[in-house]
Amino acid sequence: AAGVIQSPRHLIKEKRETATLKCYPIPRHDTVYWYQQGPGQDPQFLISFYEKMQSDKGSIPDRFSAQQFSDYHSELNMSSLELGDSALYFCASRPQGAQQYFGPGTRLTVT
Amino acid sequence: AQSVTQLDSQVPVFEEAPVELRCNYSSSVSVYLFWYVQYPNQGLQLLLKYLSGSTLVKGINGFEAEFNKSQTSFHLRKPSVHISDTAEYFCAVIPSGGYNKLIFGAGTRLAVHP
Repeated sequence: AAGVIQSPRHLIKEKRETATLKCYPIPRHDTVYWYQQGPGQDPQFLISFYEKMQSDKGSIPDRFSAQQFSDYHSELNMSSLELGDSALYFCASRPQGAQQYFGPGTRLTVT
Repeated sequence: AQSVTQLDSQVPVFEEAPVELRCNYSSSVSVYLFWYVQYPNQGLQLLLKYLSGSTLVKGINGFEAEFNKSQTSFHLRKPSVHISDTAEYFCAVIPSGGYNKLIFGAGTRLAVHP
């Protein structure tokens, strides 16, 4: 069965650089969520989209932005990267129903 | 606001012993409940979920959990653990009917020793 695809899987950036993370949901899933998991932390909700519109927003820094495109894939754009942005970034997608399906994550390291 | 409390940050246990990982939630509305497992340097894998119906839920890898509404708990159990069960376990909730974001607990590190 198709799963959520995230790219890249690993990303190394320097401080003040920009990063773009991509998420391709499972086909026919219309909702996408982004979560950030810092080292030794639980995942924290960043933002979600339903039918290409932002549906909810969590503790996402103003330096981050995201959107969902017409093909339902989503991109998380991160600017002016800081050391504290180093984390595992998960994307999850959801069809009708409560269960979210997680991608493998993108590990971002900011040096 | 909903919150999830995992009472134990670490649980050491010997192989083939039973284990219980505790999870309590606070919510003024009904919730959907989930347990996820995260192996080192990997993503989140769904172990089991409670949406409605029977309060005893069976999941993958021999795990089960019981929803207790009066105690607002959703403890995870396994009668006999294996070394391969060593991982981080996260309890999470979603308010039912909202299909909103998952709210995670802080996680419990299960360490199975030979």
